[in-house]
Amino acid sequence: GAGVSQSPSNKVTEKGKDVELRCDPISGHTALYWYRQSLGQGLEFLIYFQGNSAPDKSGLPSDRFSAERTGGSVSTLTIQRTQQEDSAVYLCASSFNPRVQAITYEQYFGPGTRLTVT
Amino acid sequence: GIQVEQSPPDLILQEGANSTLRCNFSDSVNNLQWFHQNPWGQLINLFYIPSGTKQNGRLSATTVATERYSLLYISSSQTTDSGVYFCAVRNSGNTPLVFGKGTRLSVIA
Repeated sequence: GAGVSQSPSNKVTEKGKDVELRCDPISGHTALYWYRQSLGQGLEFLIYFQGNSAPDKSGLPSDRFSAERTGGSVSTLTIQRTQQEDSAVYLCASSFNPRVQAITYEQYFGPGTRLTVT
Repeated sequence: GIQVEQSPPDLILQEGANSTLRCNFSDSVNNLQWFHQNPWGQLINLFYIPSGTKQNGRLSATTVATERYSLLYISSSQTTDSGVYFCAVRNSGNTPLVFGKGTRLSVIA
């Protein structure tokens, strides 16, 4: 597609339930990033993928959070046993297609998934 | 890790005024980006500018890498410029961006 897409755009869930958030990066982008933004705050890094591997998981706030990427494309962020403090906007970004753009590492963001845990 | 500081944290402008937003960072960088987050939360890419000067319409940006700062200029501001402006940097490869806390701009008619 033309840009990074994310689904769902909004998700309301009950405390204790599991949720899955999806990210479709720009076609051919090799790197994929997950960030989250709590209300009125800046962006907090969660995890990034280079291809299908995750060199840096240091931002995941707890072992309830996990992510995978398959086929070097779509990624899923899973939050198990959701808590109210997980409420935030989860943003996905991708970067770098060596066949199309110069190596600038510019990141492009999707519209985000707004997660509300009640 | 690298630290990013943005100033001012808040800015209120009359429509038509000019403004300068500043981003200081604590280490050398290979990527610096300016984003505008609109009221719907979407992050819009403004500039990719690890060094030098770029202009796009009423907006321009300058990064002085040796002195570890970047400036975003907004001229003849419009109400649609309102939102939060983020500076984000990284200092190696394709690693994650480190974001500043942003400047919240309000342009009033």
